[in-house]
Amino acid sequence: GAGVSQTPSNKVTEKGKYVELRCDPISGHTALYWYRQSLGQGPEFLIYFQGTGAADDSGLPNDRFFAVRPEGSVSTLKIQRTERGDSAVYLCASSVTGTGHYNEQFFGPGTRLTVL
Amino acid sequence: AQKITQTQPGMFVQEKEAVTLDCTYDTSDQSYGLFWYKQPSSGEMIFLIYQGSYDEQNATEGRYSLNFQKARKSANLVISASQLGDSAMYFCAMREVNTGGFKTIFGAGTRLFVKA
Repeated sequence: GAGVSQTPSNKVTEKGKYVELRCDPISGHTALYWYRQSLGQGPEFLIYFQGTGAADDSGLPNDRFFAVRPEGSVSTLKIQRTERGDSAVYLCASSVTGTGHYNEQFFGPGTRLTVL
Repeated sequence: AQKITQTQPGMFVQEKEAVTLDCTYDTSDQSYGLFWYKQPSSGEMIFLIYQGSYDEQNATEGRYSLNFQKARKSANLVISASQLGDSAMYFCAMREVNTGGFKTIFGAGTRLFVKA
């Protein structure tokens, strides 16, 4: 079956602009995660969705970052007034469920965001 | 304090030999899961192996095994019979069930180079 897909694969924008990054999880996966990976670092947790609701958004760095998952499948990460420090690869992952200590997360290829 | 520490920024191994990638973790939660992911140059994160905090036996998946030493809080990844295709970044990660919300915390990674 199809894996996690993310669009666009690359996004170049100017400082101060608004961007949207899309994630299409594996069909049937109720849990969806967003991570940010800066160069030379491991992924950093941003937000977790169980179904349509954001069950844990403690990783969002500030109120310029927002994510939605209105129908419990596709999710959009929205960044307002982008800053150069937002440049990173944004990874999306999904899993069958988000509860418990075991949850194999399937990652998408990421969106590389560059803020000029 | 770092939750996940990977002290080897880079490692070299000869093809067909075994290699150990180190990972130590810090948690006060009694219930947690430990994961290893591989990230090739293509950027996609690939799940390799999982170890639960209550599992008494070390996890194994093909050529991958996890050397779990709970008292030392270490979860080293052992790759046997290294192949050229094993050259990649490797990330250790942890999910705390009771205290960590729904986030998975990743280490900074170890870059493995397999020599022919």
